[in-house]
Amino acid sequence: DVKVTQSSRYLVKRTGEKVFLECVQDMDHENMFWYRQDPGLGLRLIYFSYDVKMKEKGDIPEGYSVSREKKERFSLILESASTNQTSMYLCASRGTGALPGELFFGEGSRLTVL
Amino acid sequence: AQSVTQLDSHVSVSEGTPVLLRCNYSSSYSPSLFWYVQHPNKGLQLLLKYTSAATLVKGINGFEAEFKKSETSFHLTKPSAHMSDAAEYFCVVTLISGYSTLTFGKGTMLLVSP
Repeated sequence: DVKVTQSSRYLVKRTGEKVFLECVQDMDHENMFWYRQDPGLGLRLIYFSYDVKMKEKGDIPEGYSVSREKKERFSLILESASTNQTSMYLCASRGTGALPGELFFGEGSRLTVL
Repeated sequence: AQSVTQLDSHVSVSEGTPVLLRCNYSSSYSPSLFWYVQHPNKGLQLLLKYTSAATLVKGINGFEAEFKKSETSFHLTKPSAHMSDAAEYFCVVTLISGYSTLTFGKGTMLLVSP
């Protein structure tokens, strides 16, 4: 089975701190995604990557950056966390040749910014 | 352009009764449609997918959905609800190929009572 692992399930940070959210997938997938999930808003795409060192902005990239140095790892970075970034963050991956909607999700990282 | 509307934010059913979760979409081109399920504090899991083959699609855990082009709908059904079906369900639309991004519905919370 495909496994997408988000190393931190729950984080509490203070305003202005730098936050790293790590995601690792074990299926050699080319495509990786970071979503943000908020009640009543569904999932919104922050960034995605279709290859190592490649990245594309999604719908809400402001305040975030990403890093993909290795194929299996896709990191989301909050340079200076703010309270409006309190949310559930979901990482997903997809293999080349799979349908655009066939994603494998991690269990999420719930971030609280105080 | 594409969009998806989940018509109910919450649906309550009794165990053993049928489930209907409604989804309407709009898309300029032939769409690909998906349903995902999210159990509490978990990531999203693909339930089923429609890709222009059969209009009635069967998924995991006894769920199925029917693509109706004339009604631009892709409703999710299950003949008999189980307590373990209690979760949030997301309808997703995208184009069939390419790097098109996914559009998620805002979700429907399914509540199952004994």
